[in-house]
Amino acid sequence: GAGVSQSPSNKVTEKGKDVELRCDPISGHTALYWYRQSLGQGLEFLIYFQGNSAPDKSGLPSDRFSAERTGGSVSTLTIQRTQQEDSAVYLCASSLVASGTDTQYFGPGTRLTVL
Amino acid sequence: LAKTTQPISMDSYEGQEVNITCSHNNIATNDYITWYQQFPSQGPRFIIQGYKTKVTNEVASLFIPADRKSSTLSLPRVSLSDTAVYYCLVGTNYGGSQGNLIFGKGTKLSVKP
Repeated sequence: GAGVSQSPSNKVTEKGKDVELRCDPISGHTALYWYRQSLGQGLEFLIYFQGNSAPDKSGLPSDRFSAERTGGSVSTLTIQRTQQEDSAVYLCASSLVASGTDTQYFGPGTRLTVL
Repeated sequence: LAKTTQPISMDSYEGQEVNITCSHNNIATNDYITWYQQFPSQGPRFIIQGYKTKVTNEVASLFIPADRKSSTLSLPRVSLSDTAVYYCLVGTNYGGSQGNLIFGKGTKLSVKP
């Protein structure tokens, strides 16, 4: 079956512009996660959804970052007034439920470059 | 908060067995230990998961001592295609705490011919 998909695969934007990153999880997966990976670094947890609700938003680096999930499926990560330090690969993952024992399936990521 | 510590990098040669150890001194009773593999320009991929003792699948083995304060991922007879970053995770349910599942910087394994 289809895996996790993300769009766009690459995004180049100018400093100060807003960007939207999209994630389509595996069908039937109730949990969805967003991570950020800067060049040569590990994964930084941003936010997760169980269904449409986000119990924990504390990983979002600033109030310029927001995420939503509608219909328990597609999620959008929005970054407002982008800064150069926002440049990174943004990874989305999904799992059956939000549990440390459930395998997370990752998408290919969106590479964001802020000029 | 079960933080993990892994070596930053390891080198090996084709055909050798590679063991990567992860320390998690503050592991909680309900925590499971999970390992992921990440190739360049790809998202991480699940390798193996365990709670205690030994788990083996077609890809790797996971050894967990009785005190569960560490775990060792064992890759038998590595090949060049095993060159990747390996992450050790410890956690249970997210339960509202963003610290329950943390991907650290991982261990960069380089396999040489």
